[in-house]
Amino acid sequence: GAGVSQSPSNKVTEKGKDVELRCDPISGHTALYWYRQSLGQGLEFLIYFQGNSAPDKSGLPSDRFSAERTGGSVSTLTIQRTQQEDSAVYLCASSLTTGVGSYGYTFGSGTRLTVV
Amino acid sequence: GNSVTQMEGPVTLSEEAFLTINCTYTATGYPSLFWYVQYPGEGLQLLLKATKADDKGSNKGFEATYRKETTSFHLEKGSVQVSDSAVYFCALNTGFQKLVFGTGTRLLVSP
Repeated sequence: GAGVSQSPSNKVTEKGKDVELRCDPISGHTALYWYRQSLGQGLEFLIYFQGNSAPDKSGLPSDRFSAERTGGSVSTLTIQRTQQEDSAVYLCASSLTTGVGSYGYTFGSGTRLTVV
Repeated sequence: GNSVTQMEGPVTLSEEAFLTINCTYTATGYPSLFWYVQYPGEGLQLLLKATKADDKGSNKGFEATYRKETTSFHLEKGSVQVSDSAVYFCALNTGFQKLVFGTGTRLLVSP
């Protein structure tokens, strides 16, 4: 697509429920990233996918968080047994394999997750 | 390790004032440097970038110069507008895939 698309844009869930957040990157972008932005905070790296390589999961805060990327395109971030501290805006970004140093990332508009 | 330090906000200015948002970095090698802007309720947008020392990135009246000797990439604008109210993030890339972001600086511009 023309841009990075994320859905839903807003999600309210009850504590303890599982949620799935979706990201559709720019066509042709082989790298995909998930970040978390808590209220008033900076960007916290969560996970990075590059082509068919094993993902860099070094930023996932707990084993309740997981992500997959099917067919090298769409990615789903899953949070199990949500807790109130998971409330944040979840941002997805994509980039060309060799272009990060020159072009940076393209971000989606984010999913605002509220756990009540 | 690689890191980015930004001045804390909020930065509060009147319309047409001069803006500076400080950004300094620590990195191995020679990073590329970026400024991203996040308007309320939106994702981050690339504002400008510089890929080597002494390069000046510019866009929408904003400028930043890559200063290797002071490891800085300060964002400037000569005359801010209310519509510039946003959060500004400085970031670097050292050749690996991930960008390293600063904590962001909120700018509030009043009429």
